[in-house]
Amino acid sequence: QSALTQPASVSGSPGQSITISCTGTSSDVGGYNYVSWYQQHPGKAPKLMIYDVSNRPSGVSNRFSGSKSGNTASLTISGLQAEDEADYYCSSYTSSSTQVFGGGTKLTVL
Amino acid sequence: EVQLVESGGGLVQPGGSLRLSCAASGFTFSSYWMSWVRQAPGKGLEWVANIKQDGSEKYYVDSVKGRFTISRDNAKNSLYLQMNSLRAEDTAVYYCARRSSTSCYYGSWGQGTLVTVSS
Repeated sequence: QSALTQPASVSGSPGQSITISCTGTSSDVGGYNYVSWYQQHPGKAPKLMIYDVSNRPSGVSNRFSGSKSGNTASLTISGLQAEDEADYYCSSYTSSSTQVFGGGTKLTVL
Repeated sequence: EVQLVESGGGLVQPGGSLRLSCAASGFTFSSYWMSWVRQAPGKGLEWVANIKQDGSEKYYVDSVKGRFTISRDNAKNSLYLQMNSLRAEDTAVYYCARRSSTSCYYGSWGQGTLVTVSS
């Protein structure tokens, strides 16, 4: 039950695009299309941004997109805005019928 | 509107016990897997446990197996987490989360309740 691997931090200027990677194994990310992404602002509960690798919940901006290749999933945010500054976590279902999160990535909008 | 409200957090000594509750409303509670997710101060999210709709299946992260028990009361629309033999490393905000009925993601979260394990 090792955490998925995410970069500790990423940054970008307003209007730019950034991508956050999430690396697991064939027992989690690579084995299922059950990767989800969450945004968390300080002191707040996580918010679902992407589910099932690339689907956006109603109300989430189309600037957020997800993809997966092999054991690595990615979250891309285009047209960066100040309010996108937050922590981002990926998550995956696992072959043990459990769930695992990534270590989290702090996004800084310069 | 889906609402999940956690309660029961507080300060407890190492080796002690605590029972967390999560009151659910705004949806048919008995139709969903439910989970607990925690976040230690300044750290990332950690999935703790989940429970099937009828309570017949339960899964735990290795670090809490044998110490924590997840349960539910569908008649009361409530989820619980019984935490025994608490350790300092269990200190965290504990979130109640509803899993999708068709997939494995968490679309609804509570506001969290803080558990502090310290002497």
